[in-house]
Amino acid sequence: DAKTTQPTSMDCAEGRAANLPCNHSTISGNEYVYWYRQIHSQGPQYIIHGLKNNETNEMASLIITEDRKSSTLILPHATLRDTAVYYCIVRVENTGFQKLVFGTGTRLLVSP
Amino acid sequence: NAGVTQTPKFQVLKTGQSMTLQCAQDMNHNSMYWYRQDPGMGLRLIYYSASEGTTDKGEVPNGYNVSRLNKREFSLRLESAAPSQTSVYFCASSRSAGGAETQYFGPGTRLLVL
Repeated sequence: DAKTTQPTSMDCAEGRAANLPCNHSTISGNEYVYWYRQIHSQGPQYIIHGLKNNETNEMASLIITEDRKSSTLILPHATLRDTAVYYCIVRVENTGFQKLVFGTGTRLLVSP
Repeated sequence: NAGVTQTPKFQVLKTGQSMTLQCAQDMNHNSMYWYRQDPGMGLRLIYYSASEGTTDKGEVPNGYNVSRLNKREFSLRLESAAPSQTSVYFCASSRSAGGAETQYFGPGTRLLVL
């Protein structure tokens, strides 16, 4: 799996957009970008994933640069419940087993 | 749907004691996983089961055994607990073990070994 680099921590005001960056400069053409988050004391939760195109679901948007060397997870209207550690992970889509490699992630603090 | 459930939620053991952590999923997933998470660190894979009847070692299998009891249940056993096994243990499941499959996690079991 390609390595990812994320800021250690970020702050965001409630109601504002939270933009979490991730660098994955060594990503291969067949590797997807995944985002999970872990709210304090809970198990990780899947958020979104993408390959080349930007993706949006009910939780967030994922913007991947054209060269695919970086991406940004966007929480459009952050709430206090979005305070969590956010993990950016790259994985190959294939039929063989692939472990999830969790780094240390970005600790997002959403404040009133 | 309960998703992935784990029992117990919290356990204290003395060094040398044994215990089994239970995990069950109701999503008809084929693959299941056990991770541990130490303070301030990411998750590390202990064992996984790609399908019913199979189990394989992950990154940190020493000191643990697993049993895929049936499609729903995947247990983790500590035969002789050590303080180094103090951690939070998460079970997860996915439709298959393929690279792009989303994993769904349970709430965790907090284990303290004295």
